[in-house]
Amino acid sequence: GAVVSQHPSRVICKSGTSVKIECRSLDFQATTMFWYRQFPKQSLMLMATSNEGSKATYEQGVEKDKFLINHASLTLSTLTVTSAHPEDSSFYICSASPGLAGLSSYNEQFFGPGTRLTVL
Amino acid sequence: AQSVTQLDSHVSVSEGTPVLLRCNYSSSYSPSLFWYVQHPNKGLQLLLKYTSAATLVKGINGFEAEFKKSETSFHLTKPSAHMSDAAEYFCVVSDPATNKLIFGTGTLLAVQP
Repeated sequence: GAVVSQHPSRVICKSGTSVKIECRSLDFQATTMFWYRQFPKQSLMLMATSNEGSKATYEQGVEKDKFLINHASLTLSTLTVTSAHPEDSSFYICSASPGLAGLSSYNEQFFGPGTRLTVL
Repeated sequence: AQSVTQLDSHVSVSEGTPVLLRCNYSSSYSPSLFWYVQHPNKGLQLLLKYTSAATLVKGINGFEAEFKKSETSFHLTKPSAHMSDAAEYFCVVSDPATNKLIFGTGTLLAVQP
């Protein structure tokens, strides 16, 4: 149980184009989904948190107009990198949690396998 | 504020010898702590988690970690390393107010034959 998938696993695009990455919780309802970015040989950095049906909350320094997040259903969140540039090349990882961010109780996050984005 | 510090960026051990990956935490609350493993170009796999139950936590693949409040530590250990243990390991603390995970900088474990 608690499987999270991401699609695609790898994507190569030209500079200036947009890329959409999907994150799905396959066997549970994910009230909250998180998007992380990981540069080579670095740790994961949280980009944004999204609760189903609400606007995403972005971390400081993350451009909300560049990284569009949609969490329209309890099993699907999408991250769209708009007008991608080579510096956006990274490993993007999503996680899903059955709990609602903001509550004091702990809710585990389940991670997807990641998407490798290369912008030429 | 919550934070974790992984004291070693690289650790190298011989196959069959013990593994120790060190992590210290800082937390205003009673923390939830995790260890995740990431193999090259793969997603994260949860090894174990501490959520204020038993202080010695057993995880998958023979790993365990001990929560020591007096030392603010949550070190990861394994009695005998396997070649397949070579990977990046992340110590993580959860912020209970936001459910956000705060990642350490990672420790790259190399296992020599």
